[in-house]
Amino acid sequence: EAGVAQSPRYKIIEKRQSVAFWCNPISGHATLYWYQQILGQGPKLLIQFQNNGVVDDSQLPKDRFSAERLKGVDSTLKIQPAKLEDSAVYLCASSPTGNPNYGYTFGSGTRLTVV
Amino acid sequence: QKEVEQNSGPLSVPEGAIASLNCTYSDRGSQSFFWYRQYSGKSPELIMSIYSNGDKEDGRFTAQLNKASQYVSLLIRDSQPSDSATYLCAVTPGSARQLTFGSGTQLTVLP
Repeated sequence: EAGVAQSPRYKIIEKRQSVAFWCNPISGHATLYWYQQILGQGPKLLIQFQNNGVVDDSQLPKDRFSAERLKGVDSTLKIQPAKLEDSAVYLCASSPTGNPNYGYTFGSGTRLTVV
Repeated sequence: QKEVEQNSGPLSVPEGAIASLNCTYSDRGSQSFFWYRQYSGKSPELIMSIYSNGDKEDGRFTAQLNKASQYVSLLIRDSQPSDSATYLCAVTPGSARQLTFGSGTQLTVLP
């Protein structure tokens, strides 16, 4: 079974620029999560999708972050404009259903550096 | 109070020793508890899950859960240098539909 695919692996941008990250979950997984992990901290949820609908985006900074999962498969997370504090690893995860009680699988992440 | 708290460490143990990692959580309605291992520069990897009070063993790993004390721990027996990583505790709070993570404990196993 192929894992969760993410790209790019690394990205360096200047503050106020825009950036986009892509995630393709495990085939058949209905639920997709985007987490932000700042160095030295645990992952923090940004947004959760169930198929192509948003389940929870309460912690997504909507003035600068946006995400979509148009066909219920792959997803894109965008930041515009980026701030220095957005430097982090952006992790995508997926699970077969919306039940979190079985854990989920993470992709390899995108490391963003904002300078 | 943070929802999930872990000792940030770093924790160092000699090779062959038992490493003990601890985690407390604030929501009494939490249902599921997980330990993820994260090597430097890599993504978190699920290593253990536990749902009921008591111990759950998987090879050299033992997860322990005490819901009354709101406490979950991970024991690693016969620690190896390859166990050196950050260990993340994750919980599903009662009303939530996602995992909430602690900040992680960095473990170093010294040869």
